[in-house]
Amino acid sequence: DQQVKQNSPSLSVQEGRISILNCDYTNSMFDYFLWYKKYPAEGPTFLISISSIKDKNEDGRFTVFLNKSAKHLSLHIVPSQPGDSAVYFCAALMDSNYQLIWGAGTKLIIKP
Amino acid sequence: DAGVTQSPTHLIKTRGQHVTLRCSPISGHKSVSWYQQVLGQGPQFIFQYYEKEERGRGNFPDRFSARQFPNYSSELNVNALLLGDSALYLCASSLEGQGIYEQYFGPGTRLTVT
Repeated sequence: DQQVKQNSPSLSVQEGRISILNCDYTNSMFDYFLWYKKYPAEGPTFLISISSIKDKNEDGRFTVFLNKSAKHLSLHIVPSQPGDSAVYFCAALMDSNYQLIWGAGTKLIIKP
Repeated sequence: DAGVTQSPTHLIKTRGQHVTLRCSPISGHKSVSWYQQVLGQGPQFIFQYYEKEERGRGNFPDRFSARQFPNYSSELNVNALLLGDSALYLCASSLEGQGIYEQYFGPGTRLTVT
């Protein structure tokens, strides 16, 4: 049973435009959501997070939106840059444990 | 500041053998988690240790075990290796406190079982 789903395996965006990566979850008990970026041959790098009590969190070019009623979150990257090309993972956890539950990832390709 | 380090980087083993993977957390981090990532999937949680105690275990067989040492470094052991154990094994450390959930990952150990 996949509790965190990223339904788009890949996404191609023009440099300078907005990239929107989506994530859906099924467990309403999740308290916290995180986005990670992963380059080949490297471990995932933490990008941005959001508590379940908020609906938006912003950090520079990255903004995460949370829609609890739809059990959906999205990561917006504006403007997209070539260095943003990577695999992006959505992950979730509950306060009662610290186990990160991950989506399968979306490969973002920024075209020059 | 040094990040999370893992050794070895790559490893090739034969079915039935045993393997030990090592992880050193970021200085000051007392929690270490282990994940398995197979190609095309997100990481799967294996274990978490906090202050040398096991705090969580994922859905992995008893062939998988781990421990955390007084200096907060950690080892992941896998016995009786199967072909399906071939994966990238990731270690993450975290500085836990109220509202702090971010985990920081090492580069991983690529295990190939032949």
